[in-house]
Amino acid sequence: DGGITQSPKYLFRKEGQNVTLSCEQNLNHDAMYWYRQDPGQGLRLIYYSQIVNDFQKGDIAEGYSVSREKKESFPLTVTSAQKNPTAFYLCASRDRQGTYEQYFGPGTRLTVT
Amino acid sequence: SQKIEQNSEALNIQEGKTATLTCNYTNYSPAYLQWYRQDPGRGPVFLLLIRENEKEKRKERLKVTFDTTLKQSLFHITASQPADSATYLCAPISNFGNEKLTFGTGTRLTIIP
Repeated sequence: DGGITQSPKYLFRKEGQNVTLSCEQNLNHDAMYWYRQDPGQGLRLIYYSQIVNDFQKGDIAEGYSVSREKKESFPLTVTSAQKNPTAFYLCASRDRQGTYEQYFGPGTRLTVT
Repeated sequence: SQKIEQNSEALNIQEGKTATLTCNYTNYSPAYLQWYRQDPGRGPVFLLLIRENEKEKRKERLKVTFDTTLKQSLFHITASQPADSATYLCAPISNFGNEKLTFGTGTRLTIIP
């Protein structure tokens, strides 16, 4: 059963702590993406990766870091430098040889207090 | 700067009627345009892609038009049903720099029984 998984679904952290969100895909897609969504807002791109061991900043990368050591995995770390980390985080992947369709995971809702 | 606007944050339509959602873009010359559906608390799901040389695309009760002169795409749901209630997002894609998608803020559609 192919798809993208994100874990956990809900995550709670205290202010000042770093937290890592997991994203795994078994679709054999080269490209992977992280978005942030705030209530009533659209998707904003945090980081993206076109290939293993390479990634680029999106529109709102400050306070976040990523790694892409394996094709299947693209974890996102929300650092203590991120001023407003509470949000809904979505991971997506795409077949670069395909039609630009992005496949999204179920999302992780992060709450920092 | 590139801008994507989707009509009214929320749209209420009577069941059975046609719902029409608008996506306007500026400072873009997209070669393609995608539409996604997002249910509350879940990741978006791809619905349709239309190319710049296609005036219209249909999929079951869905119809998308793409007017590159007006810089606008219209998304229609005919014979609307309460199950069509969701947020719909558009995402124009340029030929160049197309590694990442930029999404509109979305229109929240409610079909009233």
